[in-house]
Amino acid sequence: QKEVEQDPGPLSVPEGAIVSLNCTYSNSAFQYFMWYRQYSRKGPELLMYTYSSGNKEDGRFTAQVDKSSKYISLFIRDSQPSDSATYLCAMSADAGGTSYGKLTFGQGTILTVHP
Amino acid sequence: NAGVTQTPKFRVLKTGQSMTLLCAQDMNHEYMYWYRQDPGMGLRLIHYSVGEGTTAKGEVPDGYNVSRLKKQNFLLGLESAAPSQTSVYFCASSRGLAGGLSTDTQYFGPGTRLTVL
Repeated sequence: QKEVEQDPGPLSVPEGAIVSLNCTYSNSAFQYFMWYRQYSRKGPELLMYTYSSGNKEDGRFTAQVDKSSKYISLFIRDSQPSDSATYLCAMSADAGGTSYGKLTFGQGTILTVHP
Repeated sequence: NAGVTQTPKFRVLKTGQSMTLLCAQDMNHEYMYWYRQDPGMGLRLIHYSVGEGTTAKGEVPDGYNVSRLKKQNFLLGLESAAPSQTSVYFCASSRGLAGGLSTDTQYFGPGTRLTVL
C-alpha cells in the first residue's frame, strides 16, 4: 500500500464548477501538507502549503487537512479552463529537520475544465 | 533569475549507454533533489543533497548516481541505461535549514524526458 493515495482521475468539469481533489495517507508522522500544480510538460509548482490540521484559503483555492482521518482536500471554486492541469498532493514529516524536506507525493489527479 | 534549469530537455539512449543529467539553481539553495515521474506513480525521490559535497539515497536510487561538487549544481548519472529508466526526470531545490525549516517550498525545473530503447 502506498503511503499517499490520490485518485488519478481524470476529472473533467465545466467552467464555473467547484472541484474537490483528495488524498489519503497512512503515515501519522506527516505534518506538512502541500498541493502542487503541474501544467502539461512543465515542472510542478507549489499551490498551497498547510501545517497540521485546519483550513487555508487563497483566492479560489481552499486546502483542508484532517489529521484525525489522515485526509486532505483541495477545493477550487469557480473553476476556469486555466486550472486544467495535474494536481499533486505532497506531504512531509519534519522531526527536527531530519526529514531534510523530503516529500512523499500522491499519484496526481488530471483535471480538465472545459468552457 | 533563472530558478532551476535542467540540461538536456530530451534524450534518447540505447540500453547500456551512459549519460549525465545536469541541474543548476541560482537561488543559493542548500537542498537539492532528483525525482522521476512515471504515469500513475507520481513523483518518486531518487537521490537528494543537503549541501555541497553531500548526497543521500531516496526512494528509488538503484541504477543512478549523483554528485554535488558545487552548491549550485546537482548531477544525476546513469551508468548503464535500462528501458525501465525511461521516464521524466525533475530536479528541485529548496532553502533547507537556512530558511528556518527543513520542509520548505521546493522549486522544480522543467524536466528532462529520457527514453531508453
